[in-house]
Amino acid sequence: KAGVTQTPRYLIKTRGQQVTLSCSPISGHRSVSWYQQTPGQGLQFLFEYFSETQRNKGNFPGRFSGRQFSNSRSEMNVSTLELGDSALYLCASSLGTVNKEQFFGPGTRLTVL
Amino acid sequence: KNQVEQSPQSLIILEGKNCTLQCNYTVSPFSNLRWYKQDTGRGPVSLTIMTFSENTKSNGRYTATLDADTKQSSLHITASQLSDSASYICVVIPRDYKLSFGAGTTVTVRA
Repeated sequence: KAGVTQTPRYLIKTRGQQVTLSCSPISGHRSVSWYQQTPGQGLQFLFEYFSETQRNKGNFPGRFSGRQFSNSRSEMNVSTLELGDSALYLCASSLGTVNKEQFFGPGTRLTVL
Repeated sequence: KNQVEQSPQSLIILEGKNCTLQCNYTVSPFSNLRWYKQDTGRGPVSLTIMTFSENTKSNGRYTATLDADTKQSSLHITASQLSDSASYICVVIPRDYKLSFGAGTTVTVRA
């Protein structure tokens, strides 16, 4: 079974631009979660989608948004990029309930100049 | 203040030796506690998942313990290998799914 895939793997943007990241979950997984990882803050939860609905949300500003499609693929969008948005963005999929194991993708490394 | 504190921040051990990583948390109540291993440049990989009612869970040479009374968890690595060099992250998941992550412990195994 193919694992979680994320595209692109690397991205360089400038301040003020917007970016869209994509995540394809493991086949059959309906939950997709997004995380931001930085050296200073570690892993932080952004949001979780289940069956095209945002089920949980972390403490990030409204510039961070996401959506999930009917095939469970998910996209994350960051608008008006700031230098502090430079991070590794990780996506994880699971079967859906909170006790189920999550499988992470390799991440998208975003650099904001 | 972070609700999940991990110690030590980093450690170096010789190949073949054992080590124990600590995770103290204040999140309560919680649904489950997880330990992840993250190699440099890669996404985390789940090692163990424990509900609040479990007190030990093993995955090969990795054994996690949980003491819900003292709000402590530990991850024990037995007979370390060079491939164990990674960051180990403790995650506490409450019922409302507001995940709390530890900052991680970086383990370096030397030959």
